[in-house]
Order: sequence, then structure tokens, then C-alpha cells
Amino acid sequence: EDKVVQSPLSLVVHEGDTVTLNCSYEVTNFRSLLWYKQEKKAPTFLFMLTSSGIEKKSGRLSSILDKKELSSILNITATQTGDSAIYLCAVEAPGNTPLVFGKGTRLSVIA
Amino acid sequence: NAGVMQNPRHLVRRRGQEARLRCSPMKGHSHVYWYRQLPEEGLKFMVYLQKENIIDESGMPKERFSAEFPKEGPSILRIQQVVRGDSAAYFCASSPAGSTKNIQYFGAGTRLSVL
Repeated sequence: EDKVVQSPLSLVVHEGDTVTLNCSYEVTNFRSLLWYKQEKKAPTFLFMLTSSGIEKKSGRLSSILDKKELSSILNITATQTGDSAIYLCAVEAPGNTPLVFGKGTRLSVIA
Repeated sequence: NAGVMQNPRHLVRRRGQEARLRCSPMKGHSHVYWYRQLPEEGLKFMVYLQKENIIDESGMPKERFSAEFPKEGPSILRIQQVVRGDSAAYFCASSPAGSTKNIQYFGAGTRLSVL
């Protein structure tokens, strides 16, 4: 059965800290890995990763995929209170299979 | 360009009643996905539909749950004879047709509470 595991499950940091969130997966015929940010509303798309070793960057957020290790990390530098959210990792396999989500990492950034 | 629209945002039902959840995909999207989220859990896939077709319903309970995406109008997730265990947040996502970059965009969800 396809599986996605995120760690840590929760994390509390102070503003200005840098955080690294982890996602590992066991998926047959991997196609892509996606990161979403979920606040008290719709999960919003952050990144889609398909190739190993290529970093994707958006402002203070960046992510990279390691297909050899079957994992990805999401980095957030200079965290702000607005970064507080649940960060969801999902993996896509070919065909009609849906996204398989991890349980998420709940990040709390305190002032 | 409006995003994925779900309604209602909150729905309260008594045990045994029916719940109808609606999802209008983003403009130009013809693929719709329904997910369920329990507290402290990730999103669990339920069903994947294209217009007038159910593509994959492997995550949906075989009894009491049904979904449709008619030619006109929103996708509907229907739960008959609700039980307390159906209380959850139900999210809908949509993606464009025929895209290899299958990014799913999510609605804000419907929070179902069964009393």
C-alpha cells in the first residue's frame, strides 16, 4: 500500500528561526511529490517536485526531492507568525490514482 | 478566476439524515476529487470524477456514500443516513483535463457535524 510519512508531526519555533520539514514515501511508480500549506481554509499549493536534486524556491520557502532516498524536505527561513499552518506532503502515482497524503506537520511560529 | 467553491462551509445533521455537499471546480477544470479529513489526520482520498463519469471510487465507503459530477452544475457528494463517525471536513479539489502537471487545487472544505 502506498504510504507517505511526515516528520515531525508538530513543531514550535520562534520568529526568525529556520525550519526543515520532512516527507518520506513508499509509492509504486512515483510520478511527483507536492507540498501544500493548510491554514483554517483550503490547502494551498506550494510546490510540485518531479526531478531529484532540483530545488524549487518561492520567497522564504524552498523544497527539494531526493528520489534515491524517497524523500523530500521543505525549508522555511526567517519564519514569521503567518507561516503557522499544517504543511501537507502528497505523492502522485501514474494513471487514475489520487494523491496520497501524509498526516501533515503542524508548525507554530511564536513571536 | 474563482477558485474551487464548496458549499455549505458548515453543515449540521442529526443521525439518520442526509448530507449533500457541493463542489464547483475552477473554471476550465473537468477533474474533481473528494477527500475526507479527520482531526489530526491527513487528507484521505474518497472519489475521483470527470464530467458524468466516476473514474476511481476506491476510497469511498460502498454504503451510504455516493458522488456525481453531472454535465451541468456542481459535483455532489451525498451521504445518506449519516452517523456520528461521518463528522469530518470534506474537501474537494479540481485539476485541468489532460495535464501531465496534475496539480490539484482545493476548496475551503465543508465541515460536517453529525449530532
